[in-house]
Amino acid sequence: QVQLQESGPGLVKPSQTLSLTCTVSGGSISSGSYYWSWIRQPAGKGLEWIGRIYTSGSTNYNPSLKSRVTISVDTSKNQFSLKLSSVTAADTAVYYCARGIAVAGAYFDYWGQGTLVTVSS
Amino acid sequence: AIWMTQSPSLLSASTGDRVTISCRMSQGISSYLAWYQQKPGKAPELLIYAASTLQSGVPSRFSGSGSGTDFTLTISCLQSEDFATYYCQQYYSFPYSFGQGTKLEIK
Repeated sequence: QVQLQESGPGLVKPSQTLSLTCTVSGGSISSGSYYWSWIRQPAGKGLEWIGRIYTSGSTNYNPSLKSRVTISVDTSKNQFSLKLSSVTAADTAVYYCARGIAVAGAYFDYWGQGTLVTVSS
Repeated sequence: AIWMTQSPSLLSASTGDRVTISCRMSQGISSYLAWYQQKPGKAPELLIYAASTLQSGVPSRFSGSGSGTDFTLTISCLQSEDFATYYCQQYYSFPYSFGQGTKLEIK
C-alpha cells in the first residue's frame, strides 16, 4: 500500500520561502508511470493544482504560480519536494502531495494527509 | 486554461436518495475527468477516473457519465458515509483544475 507523508514548517514568514517534502513509502518513487504532484487548499475553499514532477526530473507548473514554484525529486530518499518563494498570506493553505497516474494527463489515486502551512509574521 | 462549473454548490438530501452532481467544462476534454470525495479534515479520495471508471474499492452506488464538456456524478441510494464534499478534476490539459466543489449535506 503506497503512502505519502508531507513534512515541513507549519509557519512561514511573509516574503520567505515555503519548503515541504513528501516522503513516499510502500513503493519506489521511480517505479511505474507516475507523476508526483503538489496540490493546495485554503481553508474552506477548493483545490488548486500547483505542479508535478516525473522521476526523470521533468516538471510542469501551474502558470498562476510558475514564477515562484520549484518541484524537485530525490529518488535515493524516495522523496519529492516543493519550494514556493515570496509567500504572502494568500499562500496559507493545507498542502497535499499526491501520486498521479500518467495516462495522457494524470488523476490522483494516492494523497498525503495534508499539512497546514500558515504565512504570518 | 479550462474553466469548470460544478453544480450545485450545496445539495441537501436524505439517506436512500439518488443524487446527481454536474461538472461542465469551457471546452471539450474527451473523458479526462475524475471525481473525488473529501470529508472534513481529510485528503480527497479518488472515486472515478476516465469519466466513468470506478476506482478499486469504491462502492458501486457511485457512477460517472459524460464526455466532451458535460459530466455527471450519480450516487444512488445515499448512505450516511456519503455526506461529504465532492470535486471534479480535469486532466486533459495544463493546468489541471478542479471544480468548485459540491457539499452534500443531510436534509
